[in-house]
Amino acid sequence: AQKITQTQPGMFVQEKEAVTLDCTYDTSDQSYGLFWYKQPSSGEMIFLIYQGSYDEQNATEGRYSLNFQKARKSANLVISASQLGDSAMYFCKGGSQGNLIFGKGTKLSVKP
Amino acid sequence: DTGVSQDPRHKITKRGQNVTFRCDPISEHNRLYWYRQTLGQGPEFLTYFQNEAQLEKSRLLSDRFSAERPKGSFSTLEIQRTEQGDSAMYLCASSLSLESNTGELFFGEGSRLTVL
Repeated sequence: AQKITQTQPGMFVQEKEAVTLDCTYDTSDQSYGLFWYKQPSSGEMIFLIYQGSYDEQNATEGRYSLNFQKARKSANLVISASQLGDSAMYFCKGGSQGNLIFGKGTKLSVKP
Repeated sequence: DTGVSQDPRHKITKRGQNVTFRCDPISEHNRLYWYRQTLGQGPEFLTYFQNEAQLEKSRLLSDRFSAERPKGSFSTLEIQRTEQGDSAMYLCASSLSLESNTGELFFGEGSRLTVL
């Protein structure tokens, strides 16, 4: 069975500060991928970053980085230098093959 | 290529009617997914195709739901005898499944269903 858990329903961060969004996963597969998506109020889902289970380095994409701790089964998203436009829902997704499960999401609000 | 497109964007129907949604993926993408999302929740996996083959179907998908991708390009999702609980946003996504590819999903803007 695969399960994705995001324990923070909502988070606030001050503009220009860094914020960490939590994601833990549960899978018995040896090979899997972890993804983060952003969903602004307009509704579209935007891919942010990917981490493969065999990747030794933490993934980074611009201001986004993934703090991957395989032993703890966590894949937290770190957003550095938050901007007002980062206010959105953030979803962690993971699994293997085609059945990739989304977490319930974290609503991030960036305060000016 | 303009990305994943879904049609219609909004559909209002009466309980008991059938509805059909269409998804046109990015042309070179071999995988196509259907998700359902209700307000304040993450997308729920419904089913996915690799080319024309439907490889997995969620247990959440009752017999009233059927999806097809007859030529490995566009896909349709049909809901028969709609119920009020079917009201949701239906999201389609596509991806390119290759070993060298991360497999990220590219989403359409969704089809919002309201069942009265």
